[in-house]
Amino acid sequence: DTGVSQNPRHKITKRGQNVTFRCDPISEHNRLYWYRQTLGQGPEFLTYFQNEAQLEKSRLLSDRFSAERPKGSFSTLEIQRTEQGDSAMYLCASSLAGGPGGNQPQHFGDGTRLSIL
Amino acid sequence: ILNVEQSPQSLHVQEGDSTNFTCSFPSSNFYALHWYRWETAKSPEALFVMTLNGDEKKKGRISATLNTKEGYSYLYIKGSQPEDSATYLCASWVNAGGTSYGKLTFGQGTILTVHP
Repeated sequence: DTGVSQNPRHKITKRGQNVTFRCDPISEHNRLYWYRQTLGQGPEFLTYFQNEAQLEKSRLLSDRFSAERPKGSFSTLEIQRTEQGDSAMYLCASSLAGGPGGNQPQHFGDGTRLSIL
Repeated sequence: ILNVEQSPQSLHVQEGDSTNFTCSFPSSNFYALHWYRWETAKSPEALFVMTLNGDEKKKGRISATLNTKEGYSYLYIKGSQPEDSATYLCASWVNAGGTSYGKLTFGQGTILTVHP
């Protein structure tokens, strides 16, 4: 068990560029979650997958954000036409599915820190 | 309560002191309450997941209780040590019903600093 892996660890880009982050979950976990965290705040939910199905997506997300998990293993989060306000830490987590609610602990990666110039 | 709220926002204690934090969450459509510890330069680490009213969990010197009827959870640390210094996050899994599958909503965290 190598834990949740996120790449890259840091990303600096100019406003208006597209960026893509990758998350490799713990292999036996079928749920994968994306969060965004800014200074002084707790992680903010973006979306989650069970296997390859995207089950929930935050209404806070604009159409510039998209996430995929095509084979139910790794996932990518893409941000198009980045804006200053997108600067944040993007966290990925994975868990077992458990029951109908989120009753399984989530295991987090180290995050990708995005800075928009 | 519409959001998950934690208090206090920050706390400074001396080594050996016992301390506790509060997490308030919406009591309707409740499924689970999570506690995480987030140390600087590391990833958040799960401490507890509780689902039933009256649940109590313990891990070493750390314990937590859950009251789903009134929508609060307490986290206790007995005999704080400098290595307990971290941000403690609570999060509630709420399913809004309908086509929603639910999501985990985090509080803003309590920053604990334990001074030697």
